Amino acid sequence: EAGVVQSPRYKIIEKKQPVAFWCNPISGHNTLYWYRQNLGQGPELLIRYENEEAVDDSQLPKDRFSAERLKGVDSTLKIQPAELGDSAVYLCASSLDLAGGLYNEQFFGPGTRLTVL
Amino acid sequence: RKEVEQDPGPFNVPEGATVAFNCTYSNSASQSFFWYRQDCRKEPKLLMSVYSSGNEDGRFTAQLNRASQYISLLIRDSKLSDSATYLCVSGGYQKVTFGIGTKLQVIP
Repeated sequence: EAGVVQSPRYKIIEKKQPVAFWCNPISGHNTLYWYRQNLGQGPELLIRYENEEAVDDSQLPKDRFSAERLKGVDSTLKIQPAELGDSAVYLCASSLDLAGGLYNEQFFGPGTRLTVL
Repeated sequence: RKEVEQDPGPFNVPEGATVAFNCTYSNSASQSFFWYRQDCRKEPKLLMSVYSSGNEDGRFTAQLNRASQYISLLIRDSKLSDSATYLCVSGGYQKVTFGIGTKLQVIP
């Protein structure tokens, strides 16, 4: 079974440029997460989708970050314009969660390593 | 106060040693708890789910203490291959939070 797919794996851009990341979750997984991970830190949740609905985007810097999951399958995360502090690894994860607020195992993609110069 | 707190370490232990990590969480409504392992420059992968009754998987034992709001991970007979960062995760209503991670280095 294919895992979570992310692209690109690496991206180097200059500040003020736009950048987009793509994620294809494991087939059948209803929940999709975007995380940002800085060196020496744990993953920080940016946004969580249940199917196509964003149910937690409280940590998403909405002035420059946007995300979509139009058909409830794959998702894109965009930054426009990028700032130096956005350099990090952007991780996508998916899970099959049941109703009732309980969480199941998250499967992570390999991440996109973003460097903003 | 952070929602999930962990000692970042590093914990340097000799092969064969037993090592324990604790993690505290602030959201009393949390219902799901996990330990993930993350190798250097890799993505996190699930190590264990944590249940109220405690659970064991080989050399690894996880415990949950709801009264004190902490979870623990015990690794017995440490192997060099156990060297990694161990991330604690707390899942509450509409919210899931990772800790900063505890770095373990097993020394020959």
